[in-house]
Amino acid sequence: SQKIEQNSEALNIQEGKTATLTCNYTNYSPAYLQWYRQDPGRGPVFLLLIRENEKEKRKERLKVTFDTTLKQSLFHITASQPADSATYLCALDMRGDSSYKLIFGSGTRLLVRP
Amino acid sequence: DSGVTQTPKHLITATGQRVTLRCSPRSGDLSVYWYQQSLDQGLQFLIQYYNGEERAKGNILERFSAQQFPDLHSELNLSSLELGDSALYFCASSGQGAEAFFGQGTRLTVV
Repeated sequence: SQKIEQNSEALNIQEGKTATLTCNYTNYSPAYLQWYRQDPGRGPVFLLLIRENEKEKRKERLKVTFDTTLKQSLFHITASQPADSATYLCALDMRGDSSYKLIFGSGTRLLVRP
Repeated sequence: DSGVTQTPKHLITATGQRVTLRCSPRSGDLSVYWYQQSLDQGLQFLIQYYNGEERAKGNILERFSAQQFPDLHSELNLSSLELGDSALYFCASSGQGAEAFFGQGTRLTVV
């Protein structure tokens, strides 16, 4: 079955540094991979989507890479701020002819210290 | 505000009971998804509906069922509830784009 691995240990960094989160997957070749942010007790919020034929995608301080050979995506937040503290989820975008589902990893908690 | 509305926000019920969770998708979105998130667990995909039809199923228990109505709102029915069913239940919707928009969830506590 498909497996998505995100580092279960929290990532603790100093404000201003770059946070890098990893998402590894097995047994599937998604056409798309998505990243979401989730704050405690709230629903996930979409951040970025990257297609299998894209190596890198940027949005403001966020950058996502997608290596389909390594089956890995990296999510970077540059110039991190305490407000970036949250859990970040990667999701495999699994599309069939008439179905579509997002399968989520368990997320990595990011803590940015002032 | 994602535009997805879930009711109720909180629900406390006893084991063996049946509850219904409701979701109103964003205006115009035809797809609705249900997810379960237990304490300190990831989001587990339950089921997807598209324009009233079931399109994809995850590890949804037989005690759980869902439907999407002609006005596109969706309901998730949970029956014979067990303590282990206590969780946050999220609904999400999507339209032409790939991204999903999540509601704020219903927190179900089974006592």
